[in-house]
Amino acid sequence: DAKTTQPTSMDCAEGRAANLPCNHSTISGNEYVYWYRQIHSQGPQYIIHGLKNNETNEMASLIITEDRKSSTLILPHATLRDTAVYYCIVSLRQTGANNLFFGTGTRLTVIP
Amino acid sequence: KAGVTQTPRYLIKTRGQQVTLSCSPISGHRSVSWYQQTPGQGLQFLFEYFSETQRNKGNFPGRFSGRQFSNSRSEMNVSTLELGDSALYLCASSLWDRANEQYFGPGTRLTVT
Repeated sequence: DAKTTQPTSMDCAEGRAANLPCNHSTISGNEYVYWYRQIHSQGPQYIIHGLKNNETNEMASLIITEDRKSSTLILPHATLRDTAVYYCIVSLRQTGANNLFFGTGTRLTVIP
Repeated sequence: KAGVTQTPRYLIKTRGQQVTLSCSPISGHRSVSWYQQTPGQGLQFLFEYFSETQRNKGNFPGRFSGRQFSNSRSEMNVSTLELGDSALYLCASSLWDRANEQYFGPGTRLTVT
């Protein structure tokens, strides 16, 4: 699986967009980008995933560059409840075995 | 739908003892994965079960084992507990065709003294 690189920490003002970058320069053509987050003292929460095209759901948007070597998770209007560690994971979308390996993630702090 | 449930939520054990943790997946989810989370090592994959069979395993010693029942509920067991086994143990469930879209439970906080 391709390795990902994320900043250790980021701050974002409440109500502003939070843009979390992720580098995955060794990603292969059939690997997906997954994002999870973990709020303190809770289990991780699946956010979104994508292959090539940009994706949006009720939680966030995922922007993947054309060369697929990096991506950005966007929380359009960050709230204090979005303070969490965000994990970017590159993995084959397997039917079958779980293939997720969590790194250290980015600690996002939303500031009032 | 009810989420993933884990019992117990907190546990204190003594070194050398064994422990069994339980996980009930979301209804309809047949895949269950277990993770260990510690401040030093982060979130590490233990193993995954599907249809009562272990189909993926992380790099943990044989003291860590698990099983899955016909109703998809899963248990993990740690024998001969060591101080370093103190951690948050997380269970996650998923659909067969969306293995990487996992839904996590709140975890079991195990303290070994």
